[in-house]
Amino acid sequence: EIVLTQSPVTLSLFPGERATLSCRASQSVSNNYLAWYQQKPGQAPRLLIYDTSSRATGIPDRFSGSGSGTDFSLTISRLEPEDVAVYSCQQYGSSPGTFGQGTKVEIK
Amino acid sequence: QVQLQESGPGLVKPSQTLSLTCTVSGGSISRDSYYWSWIRQPAGKGLEWIGRIYATGGTNYNPSLKSRVTMSVDTSNNQFSLNVRSVTAADTAVYYCARESPLLWFPNWGQGTLVTVST
Repeated sequence: EIVLTQSPVTLSLFPGERATLSCRASQSVSNNYLAWYQQKPGQAPRLLIYDTSSRATGIPDRFSGSGSGTDFSLTISRLEPEDVAVYSCQQYGSSPGTFGQGTKVEIK
Repeated sequence: QVQLQESGPGLVKPSQTLSLTCTVSGGSISRDSYYWSWIRQPAGKGLEWIGRIYATGGTNYNPSLKSRVTMSVDTSNNQFSLNVRSVTAADTAVYYCARESPLLWFPNWGQGTLVTVST
């Protein structure tokens, strides 16, 4: 199965700063089938991005995704206090689908 | 808007069977082209896909759990269920049910339920 490694483990930034989260796959993700989820404490994951760069319904445009092959990223252009959460990537190009361990985003 | 809600015991003894049900509202399992999945998350760890079931009853399971997992669907009550046999402490986790798109990402999730395996 494909192993997804996310970095950094924790990202601490000021409001308004740009956040860049990385997701690296152990082998190429077929068709760049990669999604990103946001999980706030005590809540279920929320789909942000699918197919590497398509925003899910209702997701603000400050969230964007990019990448291909084995290297993908999620960017939050201007960090807001409500963006504090754990962000996880998921590949669904190969079975079984797998998730990364998550990056925790904090506000300074 | 489709909503999902997990239910079941929060405590299971080692070697016994973990059983959970997911009730779907705001949509019909049998008339939806999406799939119905279970995902779990041990404390402080990443998410793990357990398996999916189709409205027809067909299933796909994660090979890591396949020998111990069974899923079923009850379209008349708009529910689907998960059984995990011979549980150990390693099965302690928050269990989520989720609606899975035909392209295999997850737009809708239940709130999750914590299942602890302990004597």
